[in-house]
Amino acid sequence: ETGVTQTPRHLVMGMTNKKSLKCEQHLGHNAMYWYKQSAKKPLELMFVYSLEERVENNSVPSRFSPECPNSSHLFLHLHTLQPEDSALYLCASSQDDSGREQYFGPGTRLTVT
Amino acid sequence: GENVEQHPSTLSVQEGDSAVIKCTYSDSASNYFPWYKQELGKRPQLIIDIRSNVGEKKDQRIAVTLNKTAKHFSLHITETQPEDSAVYFCAAFITGTASKLTFGTGTRLQVTL
Repeated sequence: ETGVTQTPRHLVMGMTNKKSLKCEQHLGHNAMYWYKQSAKKPLELMFVYSLEERVENNSVPSRFSPECPNSSHLFLHLHTLQPEDSALYLCASSQDDSGREQYFGPGTRLTVT
Repeated sequence: GENVEQHPSTLSVQEGDSAVIKCTYSDSASNYFPWYKQELGKRPQLIIDIRSNVGEKKDQRIAVTLNKTAKHFSLHITETQPEDSAVYFCAAFITGTASKLTFGTGTRLQVTL
């Protein structure tokens, strides 16, 4: 698959579990993003990485921990989540960290029980 | 920070009619305004964007207008088709400050036959 891929597509986890979401982009982009999409709320930008360095962390709780080992891969490590963290987590990439022309992945539907 | 309001939250039009979605923003320094389309169960996709040095931009049946003085911008879809049915999101920010990218709450457009 080309473009931006995410795994897993669906995840159910308990509040004491530790899991990781993976994002991979095949577009040669230099910036990657994590978003949270909850019902009836705007898309919330969580993290921005540019050339593998975190550019911004938008006041996200520490139970979400991003990792960007190279410009093609982005992870979101999850631990001790709360039920209100249930949402669709979207990854995106763009040529640079200007924020323009972002390409989104299909998302991971996360349910915290 | 930036605040983006989007209206209406739902919009139903008959096939062939036009649809207009409006967004307002608060930060007069914002200079980039993308629109994303998200079909049910799919990823958001950039459909058109406009920069603050332009008042209008068209791409086939889709157009976006920007009024910097009033701080609002609109998406216009003409000759709507059933495949236009989706949720549309506007966003506003200052390019180069991707961490400040703010999305609207989305408009669910339904095109009926």
